[in-house]
Amino acid sequence: GAVVSQHPSRVICKSGTSVKIECRSLDFQATTMFWYRQFPKQSLMLMATSNEGSKATYEQGVEKDKFLINHASLTLSTLTVTSAHPEDSSFYICSALPGQGAYNEQFFGPGTRLTVL
Amino acid sequence: RKEVEQDPGPFNVPEGATVAFNCTYSNSASQSFFWYRQDCRKEPKLLMSVYSSGNEDGRFTAQLNRASQYISLLIRDSKLSDSATYLCVGGGNNKLIFGAGTRLAVHP
Repeated sequence: GAVVSQHPSRVICKSGTSVKIECRSLDFQATTMFWYRQFPKQSLMLMATSNEGSKATYEQGVEKDKFLINHASLTLSTLTVTSAHPEDSSFYICSALPGQGAYNEQFFGPGTRLTVL
Repeated sequence: RKEVEQDPGPFNVPEGATVAFNCTYSNSASQSFFWYRQDCRKEPKLLMSVYSSGNEDGRFTAQLNRASQYISLLIRDSKLSDSATYLCVGGGNNKLIFGAGTRLAVHP
């Protein structure tokens, strides 16, 4: 089956530093990847849709200059949280769509837990 | 108002019980619906799609009522391994909208 990995699985950083999270589709090519954020006891919130070779589409309220997304290849998308602050501490999850799959056929990565001190 | 609303629970039930979860959605343009399961500190996993005609997968039955904008999930003969958070998800405009989830705890 389709496998999506994320790295790192957990990161702790100091306030003001930048953190990069990688999302890889291991056995398929993904034209589209999605980035979500989940705070404790809350729903997954879509942050942005990432399309290979083009700029990401951000959801309302998500700062594109703070959450930099790069989707340079069909198997890798990265999310960089710039100048992280404690309120950015959250569970970040990516998902990937294989080929021309419908948006509801996305496969989720295992998530990255970010803690900003 | 949230686009997808669920009772957060928790639902504490004994093994073998039947439990039902409900969900309402506010966007009438939503085209497709799903139930996902999420274990603690893990990613969500697709449990089943939901259709107006209703669909069943083993012990799980899902139902969609478009007129009432209401979705349900019924779990029969609950197992300890069913303990998780169940996410109601609506789809449309090329994206998924997740509910906050309903927590289920099945005890011996």
